[in-house]
Amino acid sequence: AQTVTQSQPEMSVQEAETVTLSCTYDTSESDYYLFWYKQPPSRQMILVIRQEAYKQQNATENRFSVNFQKAAKSFSLKISDSQLGDAAMYFCAYRRGGATNKLIFGTGTLLAVQP
Amino acid sequence: DGGITQSPKYLFRKEGQNVTLSCEQNLNHDAMYWYRQDPGQGLRLIYYSQIVNDFQKGDIAEGYSVSREKKESFPLTVTSAQKNPTAFYLCASSIGVRETQYFGPGTRLLVL
Repeated sequence: AQTVTQSQPEMSVQEAETVTLSCTYDTSESDYYLFWYKQPPSRQMILVIRQEAYKQQNATENRFSVNFQKAAKSFSLKISDSQLGDAAMYFCAYRRGGATNKLIFGTGTLLAVQP
Repeated sequence: DGGITQSPKYLFRKEGQNVTLSCEQNLNHDAMYWYRQDPGQGLRLIYYSQIVNDFQKGDIAEGYSVSREKKESFPLTVTSAQKNPTAFYLCASSIGVRETQYFGPGTRLLVL
């Protein structure tokens, strides 16, 4: 069975600094997708970034980028120039490729941004 | 504005009572999902629907029921058989089963 592990329950970063959140996953599939979702205090889940396993290039969305290491099954999220609005719970999620829609989530990392 | 709405924001359930959580989307998405979130845990899939009049059980379907009579709507009923219903419930939708899921604002269910 596929699993997603986030080993950092909490992280803290100074405003304008860079922080990296870790995520590892376990799968025997070759076709899959990985996601980072942000859950602010409002508790609505917001998609941050998506990575297709077949793409070697790391996905980037403005200040957010990933370091996708397929062989190591690692999918870390880097937030550059951290802002107060980045404070939230961040969830890593996995979805197998093909005609499936089941997302498997990690337990989350709570990110605090210090002014 | 296109989006996913969930109501109510807070819901209270008495012992032995069935309650229904609403989820509506105007994104013209075919697929819809219900997740449960407990403190300190990630989301777990309760039910999903790929098309109208069709739905499938997720990992924790016991004590829940759903219907999908309209493309826009996917209500979740928490039945009296669900012995530990206190949680945060999130609805999501996607264009198709292979596409990214987008989430609604959630409903907090509490037991009186």
